[in-house]
Amino acid sequence: QSALTQPASVSGSPGQSITISCTGTGSDLFGYNYVSWFQVHPGKAPKLMIYEVSNRPSGVSNRFSGSKSGNTASLTISGLQAEDEADYYCSSHTSDIIWLFGGGTRLTVL
Amino acid sequence: QVRLVQSGAEVRRPGASVKVSCKASGYTFSDSHIHWVRQAPGQGLEWMGWINPNSGGTKYAQNFQGRITVTRDTSITTVYMELNSLRSDDTAVYYCATVSGGYWHFDYWGQGTLVTVSS
Repeated sequence: QSALTQPASVSGSPGQSITISCTGTGSDLFGYNYVSWFQVHPGKAPKLMIYEVSNRPSGVSNRFSGSKSGNTASLTISGLQAEDEADYYCSSHTSDIIWLFGGGTRLTVL
Repeated sequence: QVRLVQSGAEVRRPGASVKVSCKASGYTFSDSHIHWVRQAPGQGLEWMGWINPNSGGTKYAQNFQGRITVTRDTSITTVYMELNSLRSDDTAVYYCATVSGGYWHFDYWGQGTLVTVSS
């Protein structure tokens, strides 16, 4: 059974950088480097922040970056701002075209 | 521009069914699979299934097998998600989202539909 595991929470002060990890388990995850990250503010629809591990959609701040090493993908936010406070989810899919989300990470800007 | 407009909030009794619609516009309907994702209060995102609007083919998460049906009406570029045998823990905001052809991420999202299951 494939799964994506994220830390429940991270925090940082304005201006600092933070990194959220997303570890995949299961033999058919991450095989094609299709990890994406979403930002979710309360009461709002998810917003795509990173796709294919490290690509930023048009309009997303370059303070957001993604990377991957082995079976762990990471989202880094630099120059933290108050509006970055939100929940963040990683996502990927299996070879059976089943999609998965990580459990989500609550980012608190102190 | 791409728009996914979902139907309004619903209230159902336990054991009932609900059907949520997702009207797509601003792109070629057959070019993107449409997925359903839900978020229960205080919980994370949960993937439910997808439909290929071109063929009508579907794939569902194991957790919903037997209870979910996703269909489409190509004449009005609308996708439907029906969930049966509702339970109180099905109370959630339900989202439709596109995955564009050649890509493997959710790029556009509907505004969400709150489904409340309560006796």
